[in-house]
Amino acid sequence: DAGVIQSPRHEVTEMGQEVTLRCKPISGHNSLFWYRQTMMRGLELLIYFNNNVPIDDSGMPEDRFSAKMPNASFSTLKIQPSEPRDSAVYFCASRTSGGAAGELFFGEGSRLTVL
Amino acid sequence: GDSVTQMEGPVTLSEEAFLTINCTYTATGYPSLFWYVQYPGEGLQLLLKATKADDKGSNKGFEATYRKETTSFHLEKGSVQVSDSAVYFCALRGALGDYKLSFGAGTTVTVRA
Repeated sequence: DAGVIQSPRHEVTEMGQEVTLRCKPISGHNSLFWYRQTMMRGLELLIYFNNNVPIDDSGMPEDRFSAKMPNASFSTLKIQPSEPRDSAVYFCASRTSGGAAGELFFGEGSRLTVL
Repeated sequence: GDSVTQMEGPVTLSEEAFLTINCTYTATGYPSLFWYVQYPGEGLQLLLKATKADDKGSNKGFEATYRKETTSFHLEKGSVQVSDSAVYFCALRGALGDYKLSFGAGTTVTVRA
C-alpha cells in the first residue's frame, strides 16, 4: 500500500514567486494535516482537514498561506508570495479519524528554499 | 494547553550503549502518548505508543512506559546500533479524541561505530 505521497520533494524558488505543494493521503484516511518543520521552531501544525473540510487553520502563519482539499485524495498548500523565511520542510500527514490513538502517517516532506 | 517537553540534544553514543531520552507532558485527563522517529531525509514514523497509565509501548528494542504519577514517557533502548541514528520526537494526543498531536522539539541521536 502506498504511503502519503508529497510533491515536489525539493523546491528552490525566488522571493515573491508562488509555491504550490501537493499531497496525496493514504486511501481511506479521512484526516489530513500539514506541518512545517524548521530548526528554530521544530514541528508546527499549519492546518487540519477532516473529511475534506478545514477544521483548524489557526497555525497558518499569514494570509500568504492557503490550503485546499478538493477531494479525499488530494490536498495543496500554496504560498503566495513566498519569502525567505518560508524556507522549511513541509510535511503532509494522514490518518483515520476514529479511535483514541490513530497513528499519523507522514509523507517524506517537501523541502522548500526561498532565495 | 497540552504540551510535551523532551530532553535537548544532540546525543552522541557508541554502539551498544544504553539510550534514554526523557519526555514529560502537561495535559488534562488521560492523553495518549507517542514516540516518533525521523531518519535522515524521511518523514516521521511511529515508533511506539501508549494509551493509558502504566502501559508500556515497545518496538525495535525501544521501550517507553506511560507514568501518570510523574507525567513522563521516557524512551529507552538497552543497546543502540548505528542504524538508530535519527531524530526522536515525543508526542501527545489529548484526551477525548482530540485531533491534534503536540510534538516535542525532537532529540537528535547519533550512534558511532
